[in-house]
Amino acid sequence: EAGVTQFPSHSVIEKGQTVTLRCDPISGHDNLYWYRRVMGKEIKFLLHFVKESKQDESGMPNNRFLAERTGGTYSTLKVQPAELEDSGVYFCASSQGGPWDEQFFGPGTRLTVL
Amino acid sequence: AQRVTQPEKLLSVFKGAPVELKCNYSYSGSPELFWYVQYSRQRLQLLLRHISRESIKGFTADLNKGETSFHLKKPFAQEEDSAMYYCALNTGTASKLTFGTGTRLQVTL
Repeated sequence: EAGVTQFPSHSVIEKGQTVTLRCDPISGHDNLYWYRRVMGKEIKFLLHFVKESKQDESGMPNNRFLAERTGGTYSTLKVQPAELEDSGVYFCASSQGGPWDEQFFGPGTRLTVL
Repeated sequence: AQRVTQPEKLLSVFKGAPVELKCNYSYSGSPELFWYVQYSRQRLQLLLRHISRESIKGFTADLNKGETSFHLKKPFAQEEDSAMYYCALNTGTASKLTFGTGTRLQVTL
């Protein structure tokens, strides 16, 4: 079975541009999470979907970030306009059921904002 | 708010030597603690969790509530253990993971 997939694997954009990251969770997983690791810092939670609903978006840094999960399947994370401090690795994870369930991570998208 | 601390950025040990990766946490309730590992060019994956009390790849971790620690241990390091190790916490009420900054384990011959 395919694991969590993310696209693109790398993205290099200029400050002020827009970037959209995509995550396809494991089939049947209702929970989808976005995390981010900024250089030298810890992996930080951004938000959590349960199916198509945002369960927790307390980690979203500001309103330049918009996450969607239409139909409860794949999710997108759009950054508009991108700033230098948005550079980092964006991870997506999915899990099947309750809060204690193992989260399966995607390979990450490395975003570089110049 | 909860917090996870991994004091060592890099831990270098010889093959066959014991390994201990430190993890301390702060949370007023009863957390679920995890160790995740990321091998070179691979994705982050769960190594073990305290609730299952398993030993995976020879690694064990005991939750010490008095010291608020969840150190990862292995009696004899192997070359293939070289990787980035992250300690993480889940409060259960919110299923997000809170990660430490990670420790890079380097096992040399």
